[in-house]
Amino acid sequence: GQNIDQPTEMTATEGAIVQINCTYQTSGFNGLFWYQQHAGEAPTFLSYNVLDGLEEKGRFSSFLSRSKGYSYLLLKELQMKDSASYLCAPRGTGANNLFFGTGTRLTVIP
Amino acid sequence: DTEVTQTPKHLVMGMTNKKSLKCEQHMGHRAMYWYKQKAKKPPELMFVYSYEKLSINESVPSRFSPECPNSSLLNLHLHALQPEDSALYLCASNSGTEAFFGQGTRLTVV
Repeated sequence: GQNIDQPTEMTATEGAIVQINCTYQTSGFNGLFWYQQHAGEAPTFLSYNVLDGLEEKGRFSSFLSRSKGYSYLLLKELQMKDSASYLCAPRGTGANNLFFGTGTRLTVIP
Repeated sequence: DTEVTQTPKHLVMGMTNKKSLKCEQHMGHRAMYWYKQKAKKPPELMFVYSYEKLSINESVPSRFSPECPNSSLLNLHLHALQPEDSALYLCASNSGTEAFFGQGTRLTVV
């Protein structure tokens, strides 16, 4: 089965850095996805980690520790448009399952 | 082309109607998904098709019936739905290291 835990809500200031954590337990492990979802829109793919370490993509970085069942999404130089929900989705082995955590609703304030 | 196309964008149907949602991708992804999303909740996995075979059915009621006619198309047939089935229905496809969502069909059951 799947057990995915993320903070429900976070608030951060424009220009700052914020880290959104995700802990998970899955039946096997076959990578972890992060998505951004603005209200009323579809989720947008941000990153995929399958090996331990940090993957950087512009202002967004994602970190994975498989032994700890832990990932985080790091957002730098926050902009107002980064206000959205951020969804962690670890994938277990077999059958291409892709389950989402509860999501973290990030609010960026001036 | 990283597009997943869903039709229709909006659908209103009565509880006795039969309708179908359609999803199409031409990225060669062999895993395709249906999700249901209620307001302020994360996407909830319904079905997974892997190589055109149903690999996961997350205990979805039989009034939802998926179909994968070929590797590019995924349908969701709807029959005798209930008002509580009103939600955003999202299709996604997955290459293994990237997974993309369509814009969704906003379904209202009256």
